[in-house]
Amino acid sequence: NAGVMQNPRHLVRRRGQEARLRCSPMKGHSHVYWYRQLPEEGLKFMVYLQKENIIDESGMPKERFSAEFPKEGPSILRIQQVVRGDSAAYFCASSPRTQGRTYEQYFGPGTRLTVT
Amino acid sequence: GESVGLHLPTLSVQEGDNSIINCAYSNSASDYFIWYKQESGKGPQFIIDIRSNMDKRQGQRVTVLLNKTVKHLSLQIAATQPGDSAVYFCAERERGAQKLVFGQGTRLTINP
Repeated sequence: NAGVMQNPRHLVRRRGQEARLRCSPMKGHSHVYWYRQLPEEGLKFMVYLQKENIIDESGMPKERFSAEFPKEGPSILRIQQVVRGDSAAYFCASSPRTQGRTYEQYFGPGTRLTVT
Repeated sequence: GESVGLHLPTLSVQEGDNSIINCAYSNSASDYFIWYKQESGKGPQFIIDIRSNMDKRQGQRVTVLLNKTVKHLSLQIAATQPGDSAVYFCAERERGAQKLVFGQGTRLTINP
């Protein structure tokens, strides 16, 4: 059973370009979460999605950032007009449908975004 | 803002000794806590979790203790091995929510 998959693992973008990060959840998981991690810091929640729905985007910057989880295909985190401050590791996690129970989140290997 | 923090940013232990990593939290509405291990260049790896209706939970070589009175969480690793070297994060989840709030992390290094 493959784990959470993210690609690319490393992404370099110049200021002003767009960054597109992909996440495929574990098989059978329908919940996806995106977190951002700066060097030597903990992960910061960005957005929580289910298929075709954004459930909680309280951690997403209001501008330039967007996320989707379509019916078919991976979840996408899109950053438009990147700036140097967007340089970070972006992690995706997935969990199964909650059904009232608590499930741990399984993390992918992350995408390291560098903005030059 | 962040409600989860750690007392010590680094911890160095001798191989074979027990390690104790501490975490403080401030959100009394949190009812679920998790410890993650993160090795360099990798994503966080689930270690153990505990719900707020429990005080202690044991896994293989690891124990998590929860003290709700003082809002304190700890991770104990028995017989620490070189492969335990990593950064350890505690995370909490507020009742009814799904997002995790992470602490800053403790770097655990093992001396041979």
